[in-house]
Amino acid sequence: GAVVSQHPSWVICKSGTSVKIECRSLDFQATTMFWYRQFPKQSLMLMATSNEGSKATYEQGVEKDKFLINHASLTLSTLTVTSAHPEDSSFYICSASLHGTVSYEQYFGPGTRLTVT
Amino acid sequence: GENVEQHPSTLSVQEGDSAVIKCTYSDSASNYFPWYKQELGKRPQLIIDIRSNVGEKKDQRIAVTLNKTAKHFSLHITETQPEDSAVYFCAASYGNNRLAFGKGNQVVVIP
Repeated sequence: GAVVSQHPSWVICKSGTSVKIECRSLDFQATTMFWYRQFPKQSLMLMATSNEGSKATYEQGVEKDKFLINHASLTLSTLTVTSAHPEDSSFYICSASLHGTVSYEQYFGPGTRLTVT
Repeated sequence: GENVEQHPSTLSVQEGDSAVIKCTYSDSASNYFPWYKQELGKRPQLIIDIRSNVGEKKDQRIAVTLNKTAKHFSLHITETQPEDSAVYFCAASYGNNRLAFGKGNQVVVIP
């Protein structure tokens, strides 16, 4: 149980274009989903917290107009990187928390490797 | 927010020996402390976690200890095997169900 998927697993895009990444909880409902980015050999950096039916909460220093997050249902959250630049190239990972519990357990998706050329 | 420090950054152990990774945290309100294992290019996998009302938890070869007074927690891996080689991240909970991660520890098990 507690499986999270991401799509696509990798994407290459040209500078200036936008890319959408999907995060789905496959066998549970997730009230809250989180979006992280991870640079090579570094830790996971939380970008934003996504709550179903409400606006995402962004961490300090993360541009909300550049990283658009939508959490339309209890099983789907999307991250759109707008006007992508080479410095946005990174490994983007989502996680989800079980709906209706007080647990802090987060289950991670497999990640999306974004390369901006 | 929460600040999590993790050390050492790299740890090499002989197969069969034990490995210990230590983390400290800053927020006394943190009450959930998971450990994740991440292999190259893959997702972090939860291997064990502990909550603030417990001092120690064990699952086969893996154990975690928590000292809330000192604000530190440790991961212990016994009888290490080559497949234990990976990057291990500790984390601590803070406001609104978030997790703050340590910088990670590269564990290398030498056959």
